[in-house]
Amino acid sequence: GDSVTQMEGPVTLSEEAFLTINCTYTATGYPSLFWYVQYPGEGLQLLLKATKADDKGSNKGFEATYRKETTSFHLEKGSVQVSDSAVYFCALSEPSGSARQLTFGSGTQLTVLP
Amino acid sequence: DVKVTQSSRYLVKRTGEKVFLECVQDMDHENMFWYRQDPGLGLRLIYFSYDVKMKEKGDIPEGYSVSREKKERFSLILESASTNQTSMYLCASGINYGYTFGSGTRLTVV
Repeated sequence: GDSVTQMEGPVTLSEEAFLTINCTYTATGYPSLFWYVQYPGEGLQLLLKATKADDKGSNKGFEATYRKETTSFHLEKGSVQVSDSAVYFCALSEPSGSARQLTFGSGTQLTVLP
Repeated sequence: DVKVTQSSRYLVKRTGEKVFLECVQDMDHENMFWYRQDPGLGLRLIYFSYDVKMKEKGDIPEGYSVSREKKERFSLILESASTNQTSMYLCASGINYGYTFGSGTRLTVV
């Protein structure tokens, strides 16, 4: 079945540092890929997405490129802020049956220190 | 913006009780989902529904059931709550990509 593997956290960075959170996936077909973010005490919010190979998703300074050859979708940000502290989830969605389901990675806790 | 509302943020229930978790969305979405979130395990799909009165099992349906009598409302039911069902429960709705999640219900079973 489909699966998503994320780098284990927690990750602690200083403000303005470069961020990379690794994500690789296993899927039988051609999935769409997502990054979701969960701020403390809240539900998940869609951060960015990519629907086909070589697509780059971007939002709020975050970027991720859909790499089919390495089955990866790594999240990057050039300069993190304290307000980026949250849990980040990589996910994939593959057409299956009657609805598009999301399969999530285990999440990576990011803490940014001032 | 799409709004997904979960009726309770925190619940404490006793072992063996029947528990109802309610979720309402305001955008006429066909697809609705229930996930549970546990540390180190990420989000796991319990059940989903793609239309009124239609439901399908997710990855971990044991001990749960669902009800979707109206398009906007999707209820998760714990028939007889057990301590291993203590968790954060997240509801989501959407079409195709980019589902919207509720704020979650943290359920503790004692």
